[in-house]
Amino acid sequence: EVQLVESGGGLVQPGRSLRLSCVVSGFTFDDYAMHWVRQAPGKGLEWVSGIGWNGRDIGYADSVKGRFTISRDNAKNSLYMQLNALTTEDTALYYCVKDSGSGRYGHLDYWGQGILVTVSS
Amino acid sequence: SYEVTQPLSLSVALGQTASITCGGSNIGSKNVHWYQQKPGQAPVLVIYRDRHRPSGIPERFSGSNSGNAATLTISRAQAGDEADYYCHVWDTSTAGVFGGGTTLTVL
Repeated sequence: EVQLVESGGGLVQPGRSLRLSCVVSGFTFDDYAMHWVRQAPGKGLEWVSGIGWNGRDIGYADSVKGRFTISRDNAKNSLYMQLNALTTEDTALYYCVKDSGSGRYGHLDYWGQGILVTVSS
Repeated sequence: SYEVTQPLSLSVALGQTASITCGGSNIGSKNVHWYQQKPGQAPVLVIYRDRHRPSGIPERFSGSNSGNAATLTISRAQAGDEADYYCHVWDTSTAGVFGGGTTLTVL
């Protein structure tokens, strides 16, 4: 059974940082690209960032470029997202999502349950 | 950057057919994927690459894509189909793009 479990969320002040983690199981992690997708309260889905199977092909949404950094550790079956210079607009439920392929342009076939990040003073 | 548009809401009578559109410039040249999200739950893939159903998704769910619109069709709509539905494509700039979501109500 495929499982994606996020952690690291919480309440943080504007301008501060946070690191999200996602541990996966049930599939060969280093065969697949991975993504972070977020959803602000009461809003729609927003793709945040994606990373290819080997960590070399990386992309970001314009809204987070220069502030967020995605990474992965294939030995630990883990995906990460470093969130810096947070603003209230970054408040959202962050989903760890598996791509259907090794490159990061497939469909998103498995989603975690999400981890809440709240940015507030 | 590429944009896709969906109707904000759609109502369908129980047992009838619902068609949710996803509009975008020449979207027919892209692969379109669809996700269903029920309240308090993570999204679930229901259609990928325009028309393919993942295992476990009922045959009542189908998709098409041509020209400037992709369509998710739900036949014989059931109460359990009430959810938000999102279309998804990849922009040529390699960014992921989601539609704004359509809330489906089954009357």
